[in-house]
Amino acid sequence: AQSVTQPDIHITVSEGASLELRCNYSYGATPYLFWYVQSPGQGLQLLLKYFSGDTLVQGIKGFEAEFKRSQSSFNLRKPSVHWSDAAEYFCAVNNNAGNMLTFGGGTRLMVKP
Amino acid sequence: DAMVIQNPRYQVTQFGKPVTLSCSQTLNHNVMYWYQQKSSQAPKLLFHYYDKDFNNEADTPDNFQSRRPNTSFCFLDIRSPGLGDAAMYLCATSRDSQGWETQYFGPGTRLLVL
Repeated sequence: AQSVTQPDIHITVSEGASLELRCNYSYGATPYLFWYVQSPGQGLQLLLKYFSGDTLVQGIKGFEAEFKRSQSSFNLRKPSVHWSDAAEYFCAVNNNAGNMLTFGGGTRLMVKP
Repeated sequence: DAMVIQNPRYQVTQFGKPVTLSCSQTLNHNVMYWYQQKSSQAPKLLFHYYDKDFNNEADTPDNFQSRRPNTSFCFLDIRSPGLGDAAMYLCATSRDSQGWETQYFGPGTRLLVL
């Protein structure tokens, strides 16, 4: 069975600092990997996804993520965080069987002024 | 230009009183999903429709039912809500069911059970 682990439940960074959110997955085949962001009381918005090709994926709002098969990781990065980036971030993997997403537990990002 | 719309955004019901949550989409997507998200947890898939084909997750309680009368609309019925059913309910759609397809989420309906 597939699973996703986000080791950091909470992260606090200063505005303007760089950010890396960790995601590790467990899945037998080549995974389809996603990062979603959820603002308080809102639905989920796709930031980026990986399904083939270049392992460095660019997304919206200045985010990027790198797929590392050897480490079973898909970490999300941003070079300079803005206060509006404060939200919950979910990593997810798809098992390619009916498009079933399995989400990690989420990382709550807080941004200090 | 809202794409996945959920109504109402907030719903209060009484213990045991049936409630229906609504989702509509303007994307003409084949697949529609319902997720349950409890506080500080990840979304958990309840069931999904591929066109008119209903697919229930194995651990979804019988208390939860769904209807999809047409491509655009999908409903979540909770027959006898318990206190443990208080959660955010998220509707999502995808064009098709391949693994790389993006799921587009609505804003959610927050359900409170008194």
